[in-house]
Amino acid sequence: AQSVTQPDIHITVSEGASLELRCNYSYGATPYLFWYVQSPGQGLQLLLKYFSGDTLVQGIKGFEAEFKRSQSSFNLRKPSVHWSDAAEYFCAVAPGTNAGKSTFGDGTTLTVKP
Amino acid sequence: EAGVAQSPRYKIIEKRQSVAFWCNPISGHATLYWYQQILGQGPKLLIQFQNNGVVDDSQLPKDRFSAERLKGVDSTLKIQPAKLEDSAVYLCASSLASVGGELFFGEGSRLTVL
Repeated sequence: AQSVTQPDIHITVSEGASLELRCNYSYGATPYLFWYVQSPGQGLQLLLKYFSGDTLVQGIKGFEAEFKRSQSSFNLRKPSVHWSDAAEYFCAVAPGTNAGKSTFGDGTTLTVKP
Repeated sequence: EAGVAQSPRYKIIEKRQSVAFWCNPISGHATLYWYQQILGQGPKLLIQFQNNGVVDDSQLPKDRFSAERLKGVDSTLKIQPAKLEDSAVYLCASSLASVGGELFFGEGSRLTVL
């Protein structure tokens, strides 16, 4: 069975600063990895996904993530955070390509200081 | 394009009462999912439909939860009788296909059981 760990429950960064959210996964085969964002009172929105190919993937809203198989990690990054990025971020791993069967981490809440 | 619609947005009931949530997926999306998201956790899959058939309900507590998607479009999730631990946000998501399809989430239905 797959699992996901997001070690940071809450992160605070200043507007304009860089951001890295950590994600570690456990899965026996090639993982299908995702990052989602959830604003208060909203559903989840897909930021980016990785299945194969280039280990650095670009997503929406200026986010990117890097897959590192040796470290079982899929960390999310953004070079310059905007106040509107304040939200909760979820990393997820799916067996094969069925995104609906994903196991989600417990999320990281991002606060952006002005 | 209209997104995934869910109702009601909020519901407060007492334990042992019943409740039903409704979901209307994006037009043309054959696959529909219901998730339970407890405060502080990521979503957990309850049930997956492909058109009007159940693909996976292994995580659905069938003694109290039921779900249907009779005409392959709208879906209803019911809880009867509710327990305190059912307090959560119930998210509906849909995708064009179960394999390789991106998930689109509704805003969720928040249930509080007193």
